[in-house]
Amino acid sequence: EPEVTQTPSHQVTQMGQEVILRCVPISNHLYFYWYRQILGQKVEFLVSFYNNEISEKSEIFDDQFSVERPDGSNFTLKIRSTKLEDSAMYFCASSASGGTYEQYFGPGTRLTVT
Amino acid sequence: AQSVAQPEDQVNVAEGNPLTVKCTYSVSGNPYLFWYVQYPNRGLQFLLKYITGDNLVKGSYGFEAEFNKSQTSFHLKKPSALVSDSALYFCAVRDVDYGQNFVFGPGTRLSVLP
Repeated sequence: EPEVTQTPSHQVTQMGQEVILRCVPISNHLYFYWYRQILGQKVEFLVSFYNNEISEKSEIFDDQFSVERPDGSNFTLKIRSTKLEDSAMYFCASSASGGTYEQYFGPGTRLTVT
Repeated sequence: AQSVAQPEDQVNVAEGNPLTVKCTYSVSGNPYLFWYVQYPNRGLQFLLKYITGDNLVKGSYGFEAEFNKSQTSFHLKKPSALVSDSALYFCAVRDVDYGQNFVFGPGTRLSVLP
């Protein structure tokens, strides 16, 4: 069964450093998403991406964040200058379409900012 | 604005007994409703969804959920719980009239006791 994959599984970085989290969505999916889950808190939407552009973003997704689909398979989330409060589990998701389609989630990348 | 409430942080049930995990939602328009399960160190796995039609929807692993428009609820149920059902369960809503992103509830930890 196809699945969303994410790398790395755990990333430790120092405050102020740039990080790139990588995701490979399911191959025939068209919509891509990033969510985050701060430890012990609920899953929060960051951004959705369709047709090579951002379709929606939340208030969390400020100028420090960016997303890219550099080729036909990868979908990346970049944080330019990490802050302590960026420490969280970051989930990538994809769906075949918008609307009624469910989103399929990757296993997540745990980002620890020290 | 969309919101999801899961009024119970923790649900304990004996193996073989029926289980219910509660979810209520608030949206401006028509809701699409989803249940996801998260096992330790894993991503969110899709269980089931309500889009339209029959209020009782069946999903993976013997789970089902009942959409109740008047009570704005979408409770998850299973007739006979298994120890392996122990996990974190998230309810999510999409407002049909507003964008593609999901709003997740805070999660309910289900413990099935042998």
